Amino acid sequence: DTGVSQDPRHKITKRGQNVTFRCDPISEHNRLYWYRQTLGQGPEFLTYFQNEAQLEKSRLLSDRFSAERPKGSFSTLEIQRTEQGDSAMYLCASSLSRDEQFFGPGTRLTVL
Amino acid sequence: AQSVTQPDIHITVSEGASLELRCNYSYGATPYLFWYVQSPGQGLQLLLKYFSGDTLVQGIKGFEAEFKRSQSSFNLRKPSVHWSDAAEYFCAGGGTGRRALTFGSGTRLQVQP
Repeated sequence: DTGVSQDPRHKITKRGQNVTFRCDPISEHNRLYWYRQTLGQGPEFLTYFQNEAQLEKSRLLSDRFSAERPKGSFSTLEIQRTEQGDSAMYLCASSLSRDEQFFGPGTRLTVL
Repeated sequence: AQSVTQPDIHITVSEGASLELRCNYSYGATPYLFWYVQSPGQGLQLLLKYFSGDTLVQGIKGFEAEFKRSQSSFNLRKPSVHWSDAAEYFCAGGGTGRRALTFGSGTRLQVQP
């Protein structure tokens, strides 16, 4: 069990640029989640996949955000036309059925 | 709406003292409840979880939590705090019909020598 990995760990970008983050879940986990965490707050749910199907999206996920999980393995989260308000830690988690969610170390995004 | 509240933003305790971190939930049915710990630069680590059954649950690192339906609470406790316990603690809840977790805003624990 190598845990959930995320890449990159840090990303600095200029406003208006597009960014993409990757998450590799624990290999046998069929569920994958994306959360966003801003300073001083708990993580907020963005979206959820069961295998390759995106089953739930938060209203926080504006049309500038898109997530994919091709073949039910790794997932990507893309933010288009980034804004300063997108600066946050983006967390990925995976789980097997309804069991506990295992979190990755996160990708810290800074939009200048 | 489902919600999880952690009333204490910051708590300071002396090493060796007992600890209780408060968590209140608002759910239509009995939720699944979790406590996670987050150290600087680290991901969230699960301390313990409650799905059903015995209302006193034991977790890792000597932590325990008690589910009290009458008080809508799931407080985290530890009898003797170690300096390494200094971190941010998050209570989270999930409902049977929803897979995503709802997190509280966290409690930052500082441990004095």
